[in-house]
Amino acid sequence: RKEVEQDPGPFNVPEGATVAFNCTYSNSASQSFFWYRQDCRKEPKLLMSVYSSGNEDGRFTAQLNRASQYISLLIRDSKLSDSATYLCVVNMNYGGATNKLIFGTGTLLAVQP
Amino acid sequence: DTAVSQTPKYLVTQMGNDKSIKCEQNLGHDTMYWYKQDSKKFLKIMFSYNNKELIINETVPNRFSPKSPDKAHLNLHINSLELGDSAVYFCASSQDLRLAGGQETQYFGPGTRLLVL
Repeated sequence: RKEVEQDPGPFNVPEGATVAFNCTYSNSASQSFFWYRQDCRKEPKLLMSVYSSGNEDGRFTAQLNRASQYISLLIRDSKLSDSATYLCVVNMNYGGATNKLIFGTGTLLAVQP
Repeated sequence: DTAVSQTPKYLVTQMGNDKSIKCEQNLGHDTMYWYKQDSKKFLKIMFSYNNKELIINETVPNRFSPKSPDKAHLNLHINSLELGDSAVYFCASSQDLRLAGGQETQYFGPGTRLLVL
């Protein structure tokens, strides 16, 4: 089983739609969680961290369910500029002082005019 | 000003050659990384250095040798290049990955697209 699993998509949605991405992780000792965004032929960039209480940043809402080992990202009122690959990222502690980011394979979102 | 820079951006070379990729960050971060993103877009960590000390070394062939002359630089040397080494290599940096909780944001360079023929 992969350490971080995501639906690869693509998700093709019209402008203005609401779209949700899901992600599951295998290591219950995982400590922190993120969504990164990667545009075509560009580097990944942090979109938002994910907290247990859920958190919102404008049109983006992230949620974490530790019991189910499940992370989600909701995008409301999709814009053309939201088209990108969304990477679910989990920070795992491998003992001692070593933390390591584990990336999912990403979910491709294409927002259509 | 570019925060994390890599050179070269593109690298096309023959099998068996030796090549290096350079990375520099001007963010004052303590930790730097090398990642490999393959043709299926899977991004996987290769190495991590904290203040010039190697702290993460994934199962990477020993043809790959990172070198950190100072905490602002992390270079990657690859010997005897193989077809399977073709990928995008990203350098990244963060404050200090060893801090508890690991909430530090990682900042990525623009990537080096390596094609081995």
